[in-house]
Amino acid sequence: DVKVTQSSRYLVKRTGEKVFLECVQDMDHENMFWYRQDPGLGLRLIYFSYDVKMKEKGDIPEGYSVSREKKERFSLILESASTNQTSMYLCASSPGEAGGSNTQYFGPGTRLTVL
Amino acid sequence: QKEVEQDPGPLSVPEGAIVSLNCTYSNSAFQYFMWYRQYSRKGPELLMYTYSSGNKEDGRFTAQVDKSSKYISLFIRDSQPSDSATYLCAMSLDTGRRALTFGSGTRLQVQP
Repeated sequence: DVKVTQSSRYLVKRTGEKVFLECVQDMDHENMFWYRQDPGLGLRLIYFSYDVKMKEKGDIPEGYSVSREKKERFSLILESASTNQTSMYLCASSPGEAGGSNTQYFGPGTRLTVL
Repeated sequence: QKEVEQDPGPLSVPEGAIVSLNCTYSNSAFQYFMWYRQYSRKGPELLMYTYSSGNKEDGRFTAQVDKSSKYISLFIRDSQPSDSATYLCAMSLDTGRRALTFGSGTRLQVQP
């Protein structure tokens, strides 16, 4: 079974703090993704990566950055946390074969509260 | 207009009922269609995926895709209280960006 783990289930941070969310997958997947999930808005893509040290902006990258130094690890960074970044953050990974289904496997999520 | 529309519910049904969950979409280039189930405070888990139009069955679950109408459905037969969750549809293109586009999810409650 694919396993995607996230470093924390719950986090509480203060406005202006730098926040690191870590994600690790154990299936040698090429692609990794960060989403945020908010009521009524569904999942929105923040950033994704299709290879080590490669990254692409998703639909809502503002206020976030990412790092992928190793294939299995994808980090989301909030440079200066703000209250509107309070959300559920979900990491996902998918295999990289051409013409594949792009099926993604999700971690359990990190519920971040910014005070 | 959102690319993928999904009724948020909640949809409440008695145990044993047949459940129909639906999504409509606007981008005719979508080729892969998925359904995820998400329990409260958990990450989404993949239920089924289909390629292009047609039906796919897996146990009590049937996924249907009608590309001509840009409409996909998930049917759950003999629904159980353990099926109570939020169901998300997702879809992707055949090539290019490998990210999925999600519906906002339908919350299902199966009453015992």
